[in-house]
Amino acid sequence: EDQVTQSPEALRLQEGESSSLNCSYTVSGLRGLFWYRQDPGKGPEFLFTLYSAGEEKEKERLKATLTKKESFLHITAPKPEDSATYLCAVRTLNRDDKIIFGKGTRLHILP
Amino acid sequence: NAGVMQNPRHLVRRRGQEARLRCSPMKGHSHVYWYRQLPEEGLKFMVYLQKENIIDESGMPKERFSAEFPKEGPSILRIQQVVRGDSAAYFCASSGNRATNEKLFFGSGTQLSVL
Repeated sequence: EDQVTQSPEALRLQEGESSSLNCSYTVSGLRGLFWYRQDPGKGPEFLFTLYSAGEEKEKERLKATLTKKESFLHITAPKPEDSATYLCAVRTLNRDDKIIFGKGTRLHILP
Repeated sequence: NAGVMQNPRHLVRRRGQEARLRCSPMKGHSHVYWYRQLPEEGLKFMVYLQKENIIDESGMPKERFSAEFPKEGPSILRIQQVVRGDSAAYFCASSGNRATNEKLFFGSGTQLSVL
């Protein structure tokens, strides 16, 4: 069964304290891996798409990387406004062609 | 450019009533997805539609739930005879072309509360 697992479930960091969020996936074939940010009471907002192992994408303090089994979202010197839930999703190569989301990591940056 | 519009933002229903959730995709988008989210849970796929067609409804309960995306007008997610367990946030997303553009644009969701 295709699965997406994110860890940790929640993470509290001091402002400026860099860290990484993990997304591990088990799929029969990967068409693409996506990272989204979700603020309370709002819909997810697209951040990155990664397609193949070794690929990296950057946006401001965020960098996403991809291997054959997992993806990392690195947060460098975070600020309080980076506090949100970060969701990982994969699109499979199966005939189903679904987009499957993980449960997310709730990130809280303390000032 | 308006994004994905969902209404209402909040919907309160009593057990046994019907709930109708509306979603207008981004301009030019013809692919619509409905997801359900419970607190501290991930987004659970419900149904994928294109104009006038249901492409994949494998995530939708067989009873009481239905979805449509007519040629004109918004996509509608309809829940008949609601029960307390239907209380959740329902998100709609759209994309332009499933084959080449997998990026989904989400609406702000409808929070359904069943009393």
